[in-house]
Amino acid sequence: AQSVAQPEDQVNVAEGNPLTVKCTYSVSGNPYLFWYVQYPNRGLQFLLKYITGDNLVKGSYGFEAEFNKSQTSFHLKKPSALVSDSALYFCAVRPRRSGSARQLTFGSGTQLTVLP
Amino acid sequence: EPEVTQTPSHQVTQMGQEVILRCVPISNHLYFYWYRQILGQKVEFLVSFYNNEISEKSEIFDDQFSVERPDGSNFTLKIRSTKLEDSAMYFCASSEPTGSSGNTIYFGEGSWLTVV
Repeated sequence: AQSVAQPEDQVNVAEGNPLTVKCTYSVSGNPYLFWYVQYPNRGLQFLLKYITGDNLVKGSYGFEAEFNKSQTSFHLKKPSALVSDSALYFCAVRPRRSGSARQLTFGSGTQLTVLP
Repeated sequence: EPEVTQTPSHQVTQMGQEVILRCVPISNHLYFYWYRQILGQKVEFLVSFYNNEISEKSEIFDDQFSVERPDGSNFTLKIRSTKLEDSAMYFCASSEPTGSSGNTIYFGEGSWLTVV
């Protein structure tokens, strides 16, 4: 069975400081890895994904994530946080096998608050 | 930018009543999904749908749930006899027709169902 852990329910960071939202996974093989963001009363918005290649993936709104195979982690990062980045962030994994109709397994989410 | 649209945004229903949640996936997508998020909990997979049939379903997706693509644009989730524990945000999603499970799943804004 696959699982995703987001060890921090809440992350607070000052505006302008770098931010990290942590994610580790437990999946057989090498899964595809995703980050989604959920703003209040909104749906899940895709941020970025790791498929293959460079371990550092760049996504929307200046976010990036680093895939670390040995640590089975996919931490989300941003060099300089904005107050508007405050939202709920979800890490998700998907098995690497043929067929597109494969479910995403989500972590429990991390509430990011960027303080002005 | 194309998006997944869902209706209604919020529905309140009596326990035991039938509910239909509607979705219009992104137009060139062929894989469709329903996920749900109970308040304060993880986003959970319900079902995936491709080529007019269910591809995968979770344990949550029992006999009271059904999905249908009644025409070329809509994708619906029916809950036959709602229970209090069905209260949740229901997300519709879709993804592109590739052979890889690395393609991105795009989510709608969600339909918030309250069963009273």
